[in-house]
Amino acid sequence: EVQLVESGGGLVQPGSSLKLSCVASGFTFSSYNMHWIRQAPKKGLEWIALIYYDSSNKYYADSVKGRFTISRDNSKNTLYLEMNSLRSEDTAMYYCAKQLSYDYYVMDAWGQGASVTVSS
Amino acid sequence: NIVMTQSPKSMSISVGDRVTMNCKASQNVYNNIAWYQQKPGKSPKLLIYYASNRYTGVPDRFTGSGSGTDFTLTINSVQAEDAAFYYCQRIYNSPLTFGSGTKLEIK
Repeated sequence: EVQLVESGGGLVQPGSSLKLSCVASGFTFSSYNMHWIRQAPKKGLEWIALIYYDSSNKYYADSVKGRFTISRDNSKNTLYLEMNSLRSEDTAMYYCAKQLSYDYYVMDAWGQGASVTVSS
Repeated sequence: NIVMTQSPKSMSISVGDRVTMNCKASQNVYNNIAWYQQKPGKSPKLLIYYASNRYTGVPDRFTGSGSGTDFTLTINSVQAEDAAFYYCQRIYNSPLTFGSGTKLEIK
């Protein structure tokens, strides 16, 4: 069974940093592209970052480009999202997700989410 | 960037009814969309990919159709457990835009 477990969320002040982790199990992590998606309170889904299975390519939404960094450690089956210069508008539930196949960015498994609140 | 517009924003349907919801892309996305279901307090779940392919384990009352700019998710004989938000998503080329969602309520 595919499992994705996020951690590292919390309450932080504007301008600070936070690093989320997502531990994967139940599939060959090193063979799949992975994503981060967020959902602000009472709002819809916003895709924010993608990393290829071998870290060869990374893509970001404009809203986080230059502030957030996606990375992975295939030896630890772990996906990361490093978030810097956090703003109140970054307050959201952050989900990691596994991509269904290599060529299309369909997300077929999601974690339970990590909550990030940015507030003074 | 391509914008995905979903309609209606919400609908209230009786059990056993058929429901249709729409997703319109601002540019041709061919068949490159997926549909997700999100129940309150839960993570999204994949329903449909490549516009019309039902994901493993998804009941066959869920059907996706369309191509180009106009897409539809149909639920035949709606069940109480189908109450949820439904999102479409562009699945080719960054940014991977989601629609704003359709809320399905069961009367």
